[in-house]
Amino acid sequence: DTGVSQDPRHKITKRGQNVTFRCDPISEHNRLYWYRQTLGQGPEFLTYFQNEAQLEKSRLLSDRFSAERPKGSFSTLEIQRTEQGDSAMYLCASSFGGLSTDTQYFGPGTRLTVL
Amino acid sequence: AQKITQTQPGMFVQEKEAVTLDCTYDTSDPSYGLFWYKQPSSGEMIFLIYQGSYDQQNATEGRYSLNFQKARKSANLVISASQLGDSAMYFCAMRPFTGGGNKLTFGTGTQLKVEL
Repeated sequence: DTGVSQDPRHKITKRGQNVTFRCDPISEHNRLYWYRQTLGQGPEFLTYFQNEAQLEKSRLLSDRFSAERPKGSFSTLEIQRTEQGDSAMYLCASSFGGLSTDTQYFGPGTRLTVL
Repeated sequence: AQKITQTQPGMFVQEKEAVTLDCTYDTSDPSYGLFWYKQPSSGEMIFLIYQGSYDQQNATEGRYSLNFQKARKSANLVISASQLGDSAMYFCAMRPFTGGGNKLTFGTGTQLKVEL
């Protein structure tokens, strides 16, 4: 039983560069979420997909951020013109969506460092 | 809006002892779910236990139990028989069933250290 996977696990980039992260959810899960976690804080919600539809976006998701889930399977999160404040752990989660609990299961995260 | 408060930045417990991690929440939604996650130093968030607001009994999952007091809006995690591998960051989170979408709102976490 494969869990949520994320790639890459670590990314170091220079300010102003674009970066793209990938998330592969648990195969039968139709919901996919992106969160951002900075040091000493809990994760903060960024965006959420049900199948291929992006249903909710946080105000944290500035216009430099874009997320896609083109075929309702894997998702990508792109950050354009990175800033030092974008340095954080980016966590992806998925859930089945058909249960009242709708528990979200997380991947290992992508740690982004912007120099 | 939802808010989760974890007032214990750090906790120490001796191996084999029980420990309680505090969590209080605030929401105007009549129904909601409460979750606890464990985050080891590797970074992955590991789901531990779930409590629904209408559940009559406190949730239990192996060595984890949730002390749910709805009137006080608290959902404390109890870990029994602590093990060295329990040393990690623990997060309380909630998701409203109506009006709040599907996002989880997390607290700031409690760092638990299990000592010999």
